[in-house]
Amino acid sequence: EADIYQTPRYLVIGTGKKITLECSQTMGHDKMYWYQQDPGMELHLIHYSYGVNSTEKGDLSSESTVSRIRTEHFPLTLESARPSHTSQYLCASSESTGGYTDTQYFGPGTRLTVL
Amino acid sequence: DQQVKQNSPSLSVQEGRISILNCDYTNSMFDYFLWYKKYPAEGPTFLISISSIKDKNEDGRFTVFLNKSAKHLSLHIVPSQPGDSAVYFCAAVALSGYALNFGKGTSLLVTP
Repeated sequence: EADIYQTPRYLVIGTGKKITLECSQTMGHDKMYWYQQDPGMELHLIHYSYGVNSTEKGDLSSESTVSRIRTEHFPLTLESARPSHTSQYLCASSESTGGYTDTQYFGPGTRLTVL
Repeated sequence: DQQVKQNSPSLSVQEGRISILNCDYTNSMFDYFLWYKKYPAEGPTFLISISSIKDKNEDGRFTVFLNKSAKHLSLHIVPSQPGDSAVYFCAAVALSGYALNFGKGTSLLVTP
């Protein structure tokens, strides 16, 4: 099972601020993911990475950006936060052994509120 | 367009009884299915999965059934325990895919 950490757990911030949501995993997983979830709704993939220097956009369009400079670290950045960005952001990671059947393990999430 | 549907937002079951959570999907390319459990203020936790080549997978109190022709899967929890109270998400992934496609979740409450 993966150990995956996200900080901050909760963030309330004003419109226009730049924010970075941190995600780290200690299992050496190559694949990492960012999902967004609004209350009562399904999770949607917004970014993923197959390894260092690899990042791709997910199915749900997002104004956020990500980087993968180190295997264990996959931060998400919003250059200028808006109220529409208010949501829960969940980071996940998985091994690269079975392909699409690799189990994704999730961090605890960051609950972002933009005023 | 939601490809994975959990039509029951909530379910209440007595302790010791069976909990049955249902999930339907529309994409015939989905090949692998998973159930995740989520407690408040925590991320989803992997529970059990099933490949499309199987129709049943069992792990302790948890069993997942897959009916490919009906594009339907269900999670059975027997016997249900109060600690099982959580939101359960069904997810699916296609052979050529990478993203998990989630349903909206079913909130299970197991009462003593």
